[in-house]
Amino acid sequence: KQEVTQIPAALSVPEGENLVLNCSFTDSAIYNLQWFRQDPGKGLTSLLLIQSSQREQTSGRLNASLDKSSGRSTLYIAASQPGDSATYLCAVDGNYGQNFVFGPGTRLSVLP
Amino acid sequence: EAQVTQNPRYLITVTGKKLTVTCSQNMNHEYMSWYRQDPGLGLRQIYYSMNVEVTDKGDVPEGYKVSRKEKRNFPLILESPSPNQTSLYFCASSLGQTSTDTQYFGPGTRLTVL
Repeated sequence: KQEVTQIPAALSVPEGENLVLNCSFTDSAIYNLQWFRQDPGKGLTSLLLIQSSQREQTSGRLNASLDKSSGRSTLYIAASQPGDSATYLCAVDGNYGQNFVFGPGTRLSVLP
Repeated sequence: EAQVTQNPRYLITVTGKKLTVTCSQNMNHEYMSWYRQDPGLGLRQIYYSMNVEVTDKGDVPEGYKVSRKEKRNFPLILESPSPNQTSLYFCASSLGQTSTDTQYFGPGTRLTVL
């Protein structure tokens, strides 16, 4: 059974720092990996999706990498801003968008 | 605007009183899913549906029912709610056909069962 973990559970950084969030999964037979952002009391917003055949995806200040063989993904946030404060979740998809398993999330606080 | 809507957003009820949480999407997505989110446990899938009249259990289906009579709607039914079903519930949808399909989430329903 797929298990997803995220490290660290919480992170607090001053504005402007570059930071890395980590995601690990136990079963490398995935179709894609997705990073989401969740703001308090709200739903999830998709940030980046990496197909299993890809190594990384970029969107603005965000860069996500995937090493399927080792069961790891990282989300790199450049020049962090207070507006980046949220919980970041990774999820692996085992079946064409039909079998997402989520990690517990990393709660990020970016201090002004 | 493409979106997933859930109603109600907040609900307080008592043990044993049947309730339904509605979910609707306007993107003609085939795949829909329900999750619950609990502190320390993350999001766990309750049920999912690959198309009309096709539903299947996720990781934590006990105590829940679903139906998919129309493509756009996927209600979650709690026949006899119990306090351990107090949680934040999310509905999601996707095309469900390729490895590039992202899931779109509703705003969540916070349920409290007394």
